[in-house]
Amino acid sequence: GAVVSQHPSRVICKSGTSVKIECRSLDFQATTMFWYRQFPKQSLMLMATSNEGSKATYEQGVEKDKFLINHASLTLSTLTVTSAHPEDSSFYICSARGWDQETQYFGPGTRLLVL
Amino acid sequence: AQSVTQLGSHVSVSEGALVLLRCNYSSSVPPYLFWYVQYPNQGLQLLLKYTTGATLVKGINGFEAEFKKSETSFHLTKPSAHMSDAAEYFCAVKTGTYKYIFGTGTRLKVLA
Repeated sequence: GAVVSQHPSRVICKSGTSVKIECRSLDFQATTMFWYRQFPKQSLMLMATSNEGSKATYEQGVEKDKFLINHASLTLSTLTVTSAHPEDSSFYICSARGWDQETQYFGPGTRLLVL
Repeated sequence: AQSVTQLGSHVSVSEGALVLLRCNYSSSVPPYLFWYVQYPNQGLQLLLKYTTGATLVKGINGFEAEFKKSETSFHLTKPSAHMSDAAEYFCAVKTGTYKYIFGTGTRLKVLA
């Protein structure tokens, strides 16, 4: 139980294009999902908290117009990196808050490479 | 405010030896603590968690951790390391707004 998927697992795009990453909770409903970014050999940096049916809450320093988050259903949140640039290349990981409201269950991550 | 400190960014142990990964936390409220493991190019997998109750928590893959309030610690242990335990391990504390604060991670290397 408590499985979270992400799609795609890897994506390569050209600079200036937009990329959408999906995060799905497969066997439970998640009113809250989180988006993280992880640089090589570093810890996870929380980007934003995604709440179903409302606007996402972004962490300080994260551009909300660049990283668009939509949480339209209880099992799906999407992160769109708009006008991507090489510095946006990173490993993006989502998580979903579980039924116990305390535990986060993580997706397998999406590797983004912007050329 | 909460914080997490993981001592030792790299730990090496021989196969069959004891694994000890250290985590100290700071929290103004009773903490909820978690250990996750990350294999290369993958997401995080929950190993174990402490919320309330028994201070010795058993997790998957033979790992366990003990919550020690007096020492503000939540160290992760495994009696006998296996080659498959080689990975990155993250300790995390839950904040009042359900966010996690992660430690910087400890990379475990298991020597044959």
